[in-house]
Amino acid sequence: DVKVTQSSRYLVKRTGEKVFLECVQDMDHENMFWYRQDPGLGLRLIYFSYDVKMKEKGDIPEGYSVSREKKERFSLILESASTNQTSMYLCAHSGAQGGNQPQHFGDGTRLSIL
Amino acid sequence: AQSVTQLDSQVPVFEEAPVELRCNYSSSVSVYLFWYVQYPNQGLQLLLKYLSGSTLVESINGFEAEFNKSQTSFHLRKPSVHISDTAEYFCAVRESNTGNQFYFGTGTSLTVIP
Repeated sequence: DVKVTQSSRYLVKRTGEKVFLECVQDMDHENMFWYRQDPGLGLRLIYFSYDVKMKEKGDIPEGYSVSREKKERFSLILESASTNQTSMYLCAHSGAQGGNQPQHFGDGTRLSIL
Repeated sequence: AQSVTQLDSQVPVFEEAPVELRCNYSSSVSVYLFWYVQYPNQGLQLLLKYLSGSTLVESINGFEAEFNKSQTSFHLRKPSVHISDTAEYFCAVRESNTGNQFYFGTGTSLTVIP
């Protein structure tokens, strides 16, 4: 069974805090992704990484950064959390570029910024 | 970049009735197509995928989708829905030659009414 582990299911933080969301996959896949999901907006890509130490901005990178020091781990960082970053965050991974494998998702982290 | 359109944001349907969830994408290049399902407070799970070959693909729980290249569509159907099919459904596209990214529609919320 494919496993994608997100470190927390629910998280509550305060405005201005630095927030780390962790994601670990066990498939040795090159590509990893961070999305946020909001009602009516679907999934919006924040950042993705196609290799260790490599990253690419997605559609809404502002206010976020990422870290990929090891192939299996992809971290999303909110440098200074704000209330408009309250959302559901989903991590995913997939096989190499151009491949026909689907994405595999974690269960998500519901983050509330107070 | 791809654009994926799910025209129906909410679809209510009575139990045992048929349902169709529509998905259209923008690109004329070769693509892989996916439908994902999301149950409350969970991540996305792969429902079915079109990679090549037969344009009609099926899932294990009775859903099917048909790839129509001329209409750039990949509509999802089920002839008789169950209460347990109540969920959010997302269509996704990945370009077969160059794609690291997946492009998602905004989702369709299917509610099955007893």
